[in-house]
Amino acid sequence: AQTVTQSQPEMSVQEAETVTLSCTYDTSESDYYLFWYKQPPSRQMILVIRQEAYKQQNATENRFSVNFQKAAKSFSLKISDSQLGDAAMYFCGLGSNYKLTFGKGTLLTVNP
Amino acid sequence: EAGVVQSPRYKIIEKKQPVAFWCNPISGHNTLYWYRQNLGQGPELLIRYENEEAVDDSQLPKDRFSAERLKGVDSTLKIQPAELGDSAVYLCASSLGIGMGDTEAFFGQGTRLTVV
Repeated sequence: AQTVTQSQPEMSVQEAETVTLSCTYDTSESDYYLFWYKQPPSRQMILVIRQEAYKQQNATENRFSVNFQKAAKSFSLKISDSQLGDAAMYFCGLGSNYKLTFGKGTLLTVNP
Repeated sequence: EAGVVQSPRYKIIEKKQPVAFWCNPISGHNTLYWYRQNLGQGPELLIRYENEEAVDDSQLPKDRFSAERLKGVDSTLKIQPAELGDSAVYLCASSLGIGMGDTEAFFGQGTRLTVV
């Protein structure tokens, strides 16, 4: 079984500031991927960033970066220079053997 | 390229009535997922298809839920009869399904079901 835990139900950040969303996971698989998805009010899940577990280098996508600590089974998302359009639910996901498991999500509010 | 298309976007039905949701995945994607997302929760897998074969339906309540993916393309998820607790958003997703990395799934906009 694989589990994903997001311990922050809600977070807020000022526009242009930096915020970090936390995620821990557990899996018995040696090969897996980690994802962060964004879900705006439109409900469509949009992939923000992905990390291959076998890679030591942390993934980055423009203003989004992750801090992947494999031994600690931690996978946090850092959003730099936050924008109003970043406001959404963010879900951490763990994928292995075609099974994709999500955490309960963190609601991010961006204050102007 | 068109994304994952789901219909309808909203559905309100009375309890004990049947309901069906339709999903058209991204062209060429072999793997199709149906997820249920309760309010304030993350999506939970109901069923996964590899082409037309349901390879993981362990979380599908088989007494009232059924799904099919004829010809390995479009899929339909049905609930009969619906219960109040079935109110949720039903998300469809697809992935290439070639390598393990293709658990990267692309999602539709979902169907919000309200059972009254």
